[in-house]
Amino acid sequence: AQSVTQLGSHVSVSEGALVLLRCNYSSSVPPYLFWYVQYPNQGLQLLLKYTSAATLVKGINGFEAEFKKSETSFHLTKPSAHMSDAAEYFCAVSEGGGADGLTFGKGTHLIIQP
Amino acid sequence: DTEVTQTPKHLVMGMTNKKSLKCEQHMGHRAMYWYKQKAKKPPELMFVYSYEKLSINESVPSRFSPECPNSSLLNLHLHALQPEDSALYLCASSQERGGAGEQFFGPGTRLTVL
Repeated sequence: AQSVTQLGSHVSVSEGALVLLRCNYSSSVPPYLFWYVQYPNQGLQLLLKYTSAATLVKGINGFEAEFKKSETSFHLTKPSAHMSDAAEYFCAVSEGGGADGLTFGKGTHLIIQP
Repeated sequence: DTEVTQTPKHLVMGMTNKKSLKCEQHMGHRAMYWYKQKAKKPPELMFVYSYEKLSINESVPSRFSPECPNSSLLNLHLHALQPEDSALYLCASSQERGGAGEQFFGPGTRLTVL
């Protein structure tokens, strides 16, 4: 069975500081991994996805994530936080591919301090 | 057009009412999904349609009845709901089941059951 664990339900960083959101996965087969962002009262927007083509994945809005099989991790980073990055971030896994149902982590609320 | 639309945006209904949620996409996607998201929780998969046929039902109560009349349209019929069914209902679509394609999410319908 597939699952995702996001460490830290809330993460607070200063504007301009590094953003690091942690995600560890469990999967019986090579997984497809995704990071989505959700702004208040909105749907989910895909930030980036890992599909085995490359371990370092670049996404939108300056975010990137590195797939580390040995650590079963897929942490999300951004070098310099912006106020507009404040949102809820979900890591998700799919064993059957991104077009199967996604299993989401519990989410991390990112707070940006001015 | 890379958009998934959902109507209505908000819905308030009594426990004896019958209502429907509508989701539409014109991206030529052949897989469509319904998710339920409670406040401060991740989305939970309810149903998956692939080529207009129901392929996954995550043990959802029968008071939720999905329908896929054509490849662009997905409905969720609601009847005799309970207050605990109040949530954000998200629709998503993807190219097809399997593979590395991501899911595109609509903005959601916020449902309140009185």
